[in-house]
Amino acid sequence: EAAVTQSPRNKVTVTGGNVTLSCRQTNSHNYMYWYRQDTGHGLRLIHYSYGAGNLQIGDVPDGYKATRTTQEDFFLLLELASPSQTSLYFCASSDLGGRTGQLYFGEGSKLTVL
Amino acid sequence: GEQVEQRPPHLSVREGDSAIIICTYTDSATAYFSWYKQEAGAGLQLLMSVLSNVDRKEEQGLTVLLNKKDKRLSLNLTAAHPGDSAVYFCAVSVNTGNYKYVFGAGTRLKVIA
Repeated sequence: EAAVTQSPRNKVTVTGGNVTLSCRQTNSHNYMYWYRQDTGHGLRLIHYSYGAGNLQIGDVPDGYKATRTTQEDFFLLLELASPSQTSLYFCASSDLGGRTGQLYFGEGSKLTVL
Repeated sequence: GEQVEQRPPHLSVREGDSAIIICTYTDSATAYFSWYKQEAGAGLQLLMSVLSNVDRKEEQGLTVLLNKKDKRLSLNLTAAHPGDSAVYFCAVSVNTGNYKYVFGAGTRLKVIA
């Protein structure tokens, strides 16, 4: 069973604050993704990566940076957090991108920006 | 880019009845189609996926239909039970060179005993 671990699970910060969300997968998957989940919008892709050092821009990238330091680790950075970034964030991994359709999700990180 | 619409946003059925969720998409080159289930407080779990050359797939009380002409994907839960209560998402895979997934907005299903 693929394992994707996110931290922190809950985070509260203030407007203008600096936040890093971490994701680690232990199954040697090439693809990793960051999504945000908001009511009425489903999951929207922020950034994704197909390997260490690679970064691809998703559909809602504004205000977010990401970095893939190793095959296992993918970070999402909010350098000047805003209330509009209050959301539930999911990391996911996949071994073959879209070719198998299977994404393995973490448990989610709930971020509140006051 | 690819647009995915999912309906209905909320669905309530009685135990033993069927529940049908539909997604429509816009890109005729969409390659892969999936359904995910999200239980309260958890991440998403894959239910079933199909390739674009498959019209119908059945597994364990679930039926996925793909109508490429109408660009419509459906999930049918036959004989739903309370344990099926969750939020369901469709996801389509678009070939942008590296493949990325576009999700529907979700359907909150409640199965009443």
